[in-house]
Amino acid sequence: AQTVTQSQPEMSVQEAETVTLSCTYDTSESDYYLFWYKQPPSRQMILVIRQEAYKQQNATENRFSVNFQKAAKSFSLKISDSQLGDAAMYFCASLGYGGSQGNLIFGKGTKLSVKP
Amino acid sequence: KAGVTQTPRYLIKTRGQQVTLSCSPISGHRSVSWYQQTPGQGLQFLFEYFSETQRNKGNFPGRFSGRQFSNSRSEMNVSTLELGDSALYLCASSPAQLYNEQFFGPGTRLTVL
Repeated sequence: AQTVTQSQPEMSVQEAETVTLSCTYDTSESDYYLFWYKQPPSRQMILVIRQEAYKQQNATENRFSVNFQKAAKSFSLKISDSQLGDAAMYFCASLGYGGSQGNLIFGKGTKLSVKP
Repeated sequence: KAGVTQTPRYLIKTRGQQVTLSCSPISGHRSVSWYQQTPGQGLQFLFEYFSETQRNKGNFPGRFSGRQFSNSRSEMNVSTLELGDSALYLCASSPAQLYNEQFFGPGTRLTVL
């Protein structure tokens, strides 16, 4: 079974500063994807960034980047130059490719607040 | 392209009733997944449909069921509602199974009184 753990229920960052959200996962799949989703107060879940497990290079999307440590099963999200619009719930998720399970497994989420 | 749409957006029911939620995926997407989101349990997978067939099912009682139509639109049904069924129900679509991104709808907020 796959599990995803986010150990930080809440985080706070000053506008323009950098913040890192933590995520660890456990999977028996040899091939899988990892994701960070953002859910603003409006509730629409939006994909922030994804990482293919077979790729060693860390994914980046503008101000968002990940630190993917496959051996440690760690997948943290770094947000640089934080903006007020970054305030949201952030969910780490995994998607395995083995067996019959093709659904996302989510962590409990981290609520990020951005202070002006 | 229009995004994933879910109807209704808000719903209030009483215990014992049944409810049907609808999801229209992005045009061309054939896979539809449903998730339940609650403050206590977080986001939990309900089921996934692909080409009108249920491919995967999460750990939910049989009161939760779904179906997918030939145009890929999907419905989920909850019978004999319980207070604990109050949740945000999210639908997500993707072009195919095991695709590397799921596109989420805005959700249906179900309140059971």
